[in-house]
Amino acid sequence: KQEVTQIPAALSVPEGENLVLNCSFTDSAIYNLQWFRQDPGKGLTSLLLIQSSQREQTSGRLNASLDKSSGRSTLYIAASQPGDSATYLCAVDDAGTYKYIFGTGTRLKVLA
Amino acid sequence: SQTIHQWPATLVQPVGSPLSLECTVEGTSNPNLYWYRQAAGRGLQLLFYSVGIGQISSEVPQNLSASRPQDRQFILSSKKLLLSDSGFYLCAWSSGTGGNEQFFGPGTRLTVL
Repeated sequence: KQEVTQIPAALSVPEGENLVLNCSFTDSAIYNLQWFRQDPGKGLTSLLLIQSSQREQTSGRLNASLDKSSGRSTLYIAASQPGDSATYLCAVDDAGTYKYIFGTGTRLKVLA
Repeated sequence: SQTIHQWPATLVQPVGSPLSLECTVEGTSNPNLYWYRQAAGRGLQLLFYSVGIGQISSEVPQNLSASRPQDRQFILSSKKLLLSDSGFYLCAWSSGTGGNEQFFGPGTRLTVL
């Protein structure tokens, strides 16, 4: 059974820091891995999608990497800003099913 | 472009009352549709998913049910709500048979009193 873990659960950093969020999964049989952002009381916003054949994806200050064989992904946020404060979730598209398995998220607070 | 709608945005219901939450997707055809619940301080729990009209897969046994009466419409229902049904309900869609991005609606906040 696929399980997804995110570390740390919460993170507080001063503005301008570069930071790394971690996501690990137990079964390497995935189609893709997706990173989301969730603001309080809102739905999830897709940030980056990495296909299983890819190693990384970039969007602006965000860079996500995928090491499928070791079951790990990282989300790198450069030059963090207070507007980056949110909960970040990763999810894997479980191969052979139509299901997406989510981690419990990392709650990020960037201090001005 | 594709858009996903959910309503209502918030709902307060007494224990034992019925429930109907609706989700519709625009701008795509034959999407895979999903219902998730997010309880306070917890992750997303997949409740139901559907890969076509009338095709519903249930992930967690509970007093909720789902239906897909039209290609781009997904409904979450209950005949009698429990206190434990309180939470944030999210609808999502994706296209294809795998490897595709998932998109979420704005969610419905349900409080059962």
